[in-house]
Amino acid sequence: AQSVTQLDSQVPVFEEAPVELRCNYSSSVSVYLFWYVQYPNQGLQLLLKYLSGSTLVKGINGFEAEFNKSQTSFHLRKPSVHISDTAEYFCAVSIKAAGNKLTFGGGTRVLVKP
Amino acid sequence: DADVTQTPRNRITKTGKRIMLECSQTKGHDRMYWYRQDPGLGLRLIYYSFDVKDINKGEISDGYSVSRQAQAKFSLSLESAIPNQTALYFCATSDRDRDLNEQFFGPGTRLTVL
Repeated sequence: AQSVTQLDSQVPVFEEAPVELRCNYSSSVSVYLFWYVQYPNQGLQLLLKYLSGSTLVKGINGFEAEFNKSQTSFHLRKPSVHISDTAEYFCAVSIKAAGNKLTFGGGTRVLVKP
Repeated sequence: DADVTQTPRNRITKTGKRIMLECSQTKGHDRMYWYRQDPGLGLRLIYYSFDVKDINKGEISDGYSVSRQAQAKFSLSLESAIPNQTALYFCATSDRDRDLNEQFFGPGTRLTVL
């Protein structure tokens, strides 16, 4: 079975500063990787996904993530955050053999300060 | 209008009561899922359904049951609610024939069991 670890439960960051959210996974087979964002009082929205190909994936709202197979990581980055990026971010994995079932990490809460 | 809707959005109930949470979707997707979200644990899969005649248990199905009344409707029931079922519940959908694994989430139902 696969598992996902998000190493930081909370990340405070100042507006216009860069942010990196760490995600590591474990799986005995190839995985697909996702980052979802949850804004306050809302459901989850897909930020970006890695299925195959280029290991650098660009998503919405200026976010990007890099898949590193040797380190089993999929860290999310943004070079300059805005107040509106305050949200909870979830890393998730799935494997093709398991259909569309996602396994989520525990989430990282990002608080952007002015 | 939202593609994935959940009712109710908030519910407070007492221990031992039967509760039903409903999910409807207008996306035409064949796959539907129920998750619960707890702080620090991310989202965990309760049940999922790949079509109307297909129901499968997720990682935490004990104490829950589901019904897929139609392609567009997927209900989650708590037969006898207990306080540790207090959580935020999300319904999600995905399309078997589309790009792998992207799931679309409803706005969530906040359930409190006293």
